[in-house]
Amino acid sequence: AQSVAQPEDQVNVAEGNPLTVKCTYSVSGNPYLFWYVQYPNRGLQFLLKYITGDNLVKGSYGFEAEFNKSQTSFHLKKPSALVSDSALYFCAVRVKTGANNLFFGTGTRLTVIP
Amino acid sequence: NAGVTQTPKFQVLKTGQSMTLQCAQDMNHEYMSWYRQDPGMGLRLIHYSVGAGITDQGEVPNGYNVSRSTTEDFPLRLLSAAPSQTSVYFCASSSRRDLPYEQYFGPGTRLTVT
Repeated sequence: AQSVAQPEDQVNVAEGNPLTVKCTYSVSGNPYLFWYVQYPNRGLQFLLKYITGDNLVKGSYGFEAEFNKSQTSFHLKKPSALVSDSALYFCAVRVKTGANNLFFGTGTRLTVIP
Repeated sequence: NAGVTQTPKFQVLKTGQSMTLQCAQDMNHEYMSWYRQDPGMGLRLIHYSVGAGITDQGEVPNGYNVSRSTTEDFPLRLLSAAPSQTSVYFCASSSRRDLPYEQYFGPGTRLTVT
C-alpha cells in the first residue's frame, strides 16, 4: 500500500522569502510523484512531477521539487514566494490501478504574507 | 479546448434523494476518475474507468455508481444521498498513450446533503 504524508497543515512565509512545503511518501517500487495546487473554489492544477531522471524537477510558476530516494521525500520549493502563491498544495503518488490514479496527501495550506 | 467540465457547480440534496454528477472531457483521454475532497483528508478515489464500458472501484466506492458509455462522459450517481456524502467532488482524466501521466481535473461540484 502507498502513503503520502504532508506533516504541516499550514505554512506561513513572508513575501520574497524562500518557501518549502514538505512531503514524504511510502510506495512499493519506483514512485511517480506529483504536486498539485488548489486555489480557492477551484479545481486542482498540476505543478510538477517526478517520474525518473534528475532529482531536481522544475515546474510551473517557478516551483521546483527535489526527489530524495534515501529520505523518501519530495519537498516543494520556490526561491522567492509571491502573495499569489497562497493556496492549498497537495503531494500525490501514482497508484497502481492502471489508470494514472493518485493517492493524495492531506494538503498544506501556504500563506504568503505581504 | 474546454478540458474537463463538471455540472452542476453546486447542489443541495435532502437525505434519500438521488442525483447524477456530470463529467465530460474533450481531450480524448482513455482514463477518467472521480474523487471526493473532504477537509483534512485530501482527495480520495471513488471510482475510475480505463475506457468505455470499463469501470472499477477506488478507495471509497460505497454509495456511488458509475458507468462509461462513451469516451467523453463519466457520470457519478448517488442513488440515495446521505449526509456523509457532503463533499466536493472532482472528476479527472488522463491519457493512456502519452507521458507524463498527470491527471487533469475539473472545477468540482460542491454537494451538500441535509
